[in-house]
Amino acid sequence: GENVEQHPSTLSVQEGDSAVIKCTYSDSASNYFPWYKQELGKGPQLIIDIRSNVGEKKDQRIAVTLNKTAKHFSLHITETQPEDSAVYFCAARSGYALNFGKGTSLLVTP
Amino acid sequence: EPEVTQTPSHQVTQMGQEVILRCVPISNHLYFYWYRQILGQKVEFLVSFYNNEISEKSEIFDDQFSVERPDGSNFTLKIRSTKLEDSAMYFCASCPLANYNEQFFGPGTRLTVL
Repeated sequence: GENVEQHPSTLSVQEGDSAVIKCTYSDSASNYFPWYKQELGKGPQLIIDIRSNVGEKKDQRIAVTLNKTAKHFSLHITETQPEDSAVYFCAARSGYALNFGKGTSLLVTP
Repeated sequence: EPEVTQTPSHQVTQMGQEVILRCVPISNHLYFYWYRQILGQKVEFLVSFYNNEISEKSEIFDDQFSVERPDGSNFTLKIRSTKLEDSAMYFCASCPLANYNEQFFGPGTRLTVL
C-alpha cells in the first residue's frame, strides 16, 4: 500500500519567515496530493491540493510543488503569521483512501 | 459554510461494549469516509462508502466495525466489541460527486476505551 513520509515533525519559524514541509510517497499510482491544517480540537481542514498532472500550485501565501519522478511534494508558506501555527498533514490518494503523513507541528513566533 | 458534524465529541466506554459514532456529512455530498487517529500517530483510513455500500476498506476495518447510512443525513460507525487499542480520535469525512478528491473532515469523536 501507499506509504507517505513527512518531514520535519516540528518546525519553528519567526513571523514573516517562510516554512517548508516535505513529503514523499511510494505508490506511483497516487494522483492527488492534498495538504491539511489541523488546529487544536478541530478536524483537518483542506488548505491546498495538487493533482499529478500539475507541477506547482499557488494560493496567496501557500504553494505546493510536486515532483512525480522523485515522488515528493512540498508545502511552502511564505510571510508566516502566528495564526499559521498548527499541525500540517500531507496526504496522497490511491483508490478512495487518503494516506496521511505523520504531521508537522508548525510554530510561528512573533 | 456547510460543515461535517460529529457526535458525541467524546465517548468513554468499557472494553467489550458496543459504540456508535455518528456523523452528519455535508448535505449534497455522496462519498463518505471514516478515519482514525491514535494519539501521536498519523491519520489512518478505515472505510469509504458510496451508493449505500462500502467502496473500500483498510485492514484495520475488520468484522468488529460496520458502517451504515440509516437515513438521508446520518452516517454511522459501529464498533461491536471495543478493545483498548480502539481508543483514538475518529474522523468522518465527505466529498461531493463533482469532486470526489476533496474530502471535508468533521471535528472528530474522541473514543476512550477503559
